[in-house]
Amino acid sequence: EIVLTQSPATLSLSPGETATLSCRASQSVRTYLVWYQQKPGRAPRLLISDTSNRATGIPARFSGSGSGTDFTLTISSLQPEDFAVYYCQQRGNWPYTFGQGTKLEI
Amino acid sequence: QVQLVESGGGLVKPGGSLRLSCAASGFSFSDYYMNWIRQSPGKGLEWVSYISAGGITIDYGDSVRGRFTISRDNAKNSLYLQMNDLSAEDTAVYYCARDDHGAGIAHHWGQGTLVTVSS
Repeated sequence: EIVLTQSPATLSLSPGETATLSCRASQSVRTYLVWYQQKPGRAPRLLISDTSNRATGIPARFSGSGSGTDFTLTISSLQPEDFAVYYCQQRGNWPYTFGQGTKLEI
Repeated sequence: QVQLVESGGGLVKPGGSLRLSCAASGFSFSDYYMNWIRQSPGKGLEWVSYISAGGITIDYGDSVRGRFTISRDNAKNSLYLQMNDLSAEDTAVYYCARDDHGAGIAHHWGQGTLVTVSS
């Protein structure tokens, strides 16, 4: 199965700053990389599909890039509600797998 | 709006069985692939199983294959997960999720139901 490694494990930033989160795959997933946001006690929420396609209602400050094995989620001008855990997930091969998450904290 | 409500979680002894349900509303259930995804502190998020809109195409993760069975009743707008031979490693919050395109993307999630396997 494809292993996704996210870095850093924790990212400490302030509102207004830009967050850069990384996800690396153990083998190519082409552009089939998905990002989710999860807040405490809540289910994950879809942010971005297929590397760079924002889901409905997701603000433009969230953007994704990459291909093959290296992917990035960028959150510009951090808002207080953006502090959460972010997961990447690949859908290039079954079983679909998730990274271990990056906690974005204030 | 899309609503997915899981039920059936609880405490079960190792080797026991449990059946999870997911009641769907706010959309045409029979048009969508559905999924079970679980989350545990130790193993993180894990995609357990998926089922196609008509129930024909099904697959499982290796850790549950042969023990878990996914099914759906489109007339009742419901998704199920029969879990047998449970072990501590199955302890997790189980989420039901809708995949809008049958392509391995969890567009909509339920609130989850907790399964605890312990003696």
